[in-house]
Amino acid sequence: DTAVSQTPKYLVTQMGNDKSIKCEQNLGHDTMYWYKQDSKKFLKIMFSYNNKELIINETVPNRFSPKSPDKAHLNLHINSLELGDSAVYFCASSQGLDTRLYGNTIYFGEGSWLTVV
Amino acid sequence: AQSVTQLGSHVSVSEGALVLLRCNYSSSVPPYLFWYVQYPNQGLQLLLKYTSAATLVKGINGFEAEFKKSETSFHLTKPSAHMSDAAEYFCAVTLSGGYNKLIFGAGTRLAVHP
Repeated sequence: DTAVSQTPKYLVTQMGNDKSIKCEQNLGHDTMYWYKQDSKKFLKIMFSYNNKELIINETVPNRFSPKSPDKAHLNLHINSLELGDSAVYFCASSQGLDTRLYGNTIYFGEGSWLTVV
Repeated sequence: AQSVTQLGSHVSVSEGALVLLRCNYSSSVPPYLFWYVQYPNQGLQLLLKYTSAATLVKGINGFEAEFKKSETSFHLTKPSAHMSDAAEYFCAVTLSGGYNKLIFGAGTRLAVHP
């Protein structure tokens, strides 16, 4: 059983299109995240949600809109895709938001490779 | 603000040799520290973590890391490299208190040759 699963794994699309990446975790965690890994392998947090509430938004363009229908799901919708959006997007989850109270291990999905042409 | 520096973007070792991947951190409060591994075209897998308990932390696949506050370091080691260890390794830090938000280093690609 995959703990954090995201689909699709690979996505090739044209500039200007709108696309979504879905993420689900079956760990019973309260907190979910999106991280972006660029072409140089650099990883950076984009968003975090806790019990469906947006907690962290790391100055991501508003073309990126996360949506959390319930605490087990965090989807990422991207409007008007640009070449620079090409990257690997990782969904992740942790038991809670506060590192002291809830433990602090973040579990990552397998990644979604987005290529914008 | 926290940050992580990984010295050496590429490290190459012979099979059976010692693996040493370096990580230095900067944090204004006690940190929690992590090492993740990424195999080609795969996700991130947690190798080990330091959360203010024992300073020598043992992880999966024979890896271990030692937290040295005086040196602000958390280097990853493995006594004997295996071909299957070839991967990208990421050191990361988060605050011991506050929102759980990993700050990653730039990564070190480990190559293992026969």
